Amino acid sequence: GAGVSQSPRYKVTKRGQDVTLRCDPISSHATLYWYQQALGQGPEFLTYFNYEAQPDKSGLPSDRFSAERPEGSISTLTIQRTEQRDSAMYRCASSLAGASNEQFFGPGTRLTVL
Amino acid sequence: GIQVEQSPPDLILQEGANSTLRCNFSDSVNNLQWFHQNPWGQLINLFYIPSGTKQNGRLSATTVATERYSLLYISSSQTTDSGVYFCALRSGGYNKLIFGAGTRLAVHP
Repeated sequence: GAGVSQSPRYKVTKRGQDVTLRCDPISSHATLYWYQQALGQGPEFLTYFNYEAQPDKSGLPSDRFSAERPEGSISTLTIQRTEQRDSAMYRCASSLAGASNEQFFGPGTRLTVL
Repeated sequence: GIQVEQSPPDLILQEGANSTLRCNFSDSVNNLQWFHQNPWGQLINLFYIPSGTKQNGRLSATTVATERYSLLYISSSQTTDSGVYFCALRSGGYNKLIFGAGTRLAVHP
């Protein structure tokens, strides 16, 4: 697509429920990133993919968080047994392959855990 | 890991004023980007500038990699410039962007 898209844009869930967020990157971009942004702070890295490979998931805060990109295009971020501290903006970005390439961000998913 | 410091943390301007935002970093970088987060939460790319100077309309940016800082200039500010400006960079072999804490800009008419 022309830009990075994410869905849903807003998600409200109850504590203990599982949620899945979706990211559709720019079509020519091999690399896809997930970031978490708490209110009033800058985004923080969670994980990234080169095509379907996931070389770095060091930023995932716990084993309740997982991400997939099975066909090297669309990616999902799943949070199991959500907790109130998971409330944040979740941002997806994509770039051409390569360590120094410019990243482009989607509109984000605002997650609220009640 | 690399440290990123942005200043000032907050800035209030009258419409039409000019401003300079600064980003200091503690190590060499292979990617530096400036973003504008608007009041609706969108994160908009302003510049990809690991070194050198670029201009885009009323905005320009300069990165002096050897001295480990980058500057974002906003001239003739408008109310639509309000929001948070982030500097983000990538260092070493890591693919992730490290973001600064941001500069919160409010432009009043």
